[in-house]
Amino acid sequence: SAVISQKPSRDICQRGTSLTIQCQVDSQVTMMFWYRQQPGQSLTLIATANQGSEATYESGFVIDKFPISRPNLTFSTLTVSNMSPEDSSIYLCSVVGPRGDTEAFFGQGTRLTVV
Amino acid sequence: DAKTTQPPSMDCAEGRAANLPCNHSTISGNEYVYWYRQIHSQGPQYIIHGLKNNETNEMASLIITEDRKSSTLILPHATLRDTAVYYCIVRSTTGNQFYFGTGTSLTVIP
Repeated sequence: SAVISQKPSRDICQRGTSLTIQCQVDSQVTMMFWYRQQPGQSLTLIATANQGSEATYESGFVIDKFPISRPNLTFSTLTVSNMSPEDSSIYLCSVVGPRGDTEAFFGQGTRLTVV
Repeated sequence: DAKTTQPPSMDCAEGRAANLPCNHSTISGNEYVYWYRQIHSQGPQYIIHGLKNNETNEMASLIITEDRKSSTLILPHATLRDTAVYYCIVRSTTGNQFYFGTGTSLTVIP
């Protein structure tokens, strides 16, 4: 299994500002993903964080709004840029181990409130 | 990517088996079915996964129909701590992404 630490666990931000969320894994992992969970909703995949190259974004998500970095196999960041109240959500980091058929592990999430 | 359909909510009496259905009629032959649950304010927790055969672990059993178009997650003896949202997911074989559906909110009643 993989242990995932996300920072911060929660934050309250002013509209128009940006927040960077960190995801640290206790072991090297092949794949890392970022999800958004809006209040009362299911999880929506934002992007796949690729080590050493640009992230792959899902439909409806763009790099200018959600820039992602992944400098190595254990760490990634997601930035929520130019925030508005609609960005208030839980943002979760997820990883899949080196074996392709294993389950995904999730962090506890970052609860973001934009005021 | 295959989409899943689940009932929005279910109740189950404590100590009884909880049977959670999922439809995935567009699933491809090499796509796995995964089940996760999310207890309020926590990250999703892995339960079980399968491809064709039925699977069982210490948490649950997974029954997949022969045509693989649907599956059922069985919690054999539900407890109050099993109250959660349960997600049935078909995992993409191209990028290995996990796409979540709307899930079933299971309430275990004393």
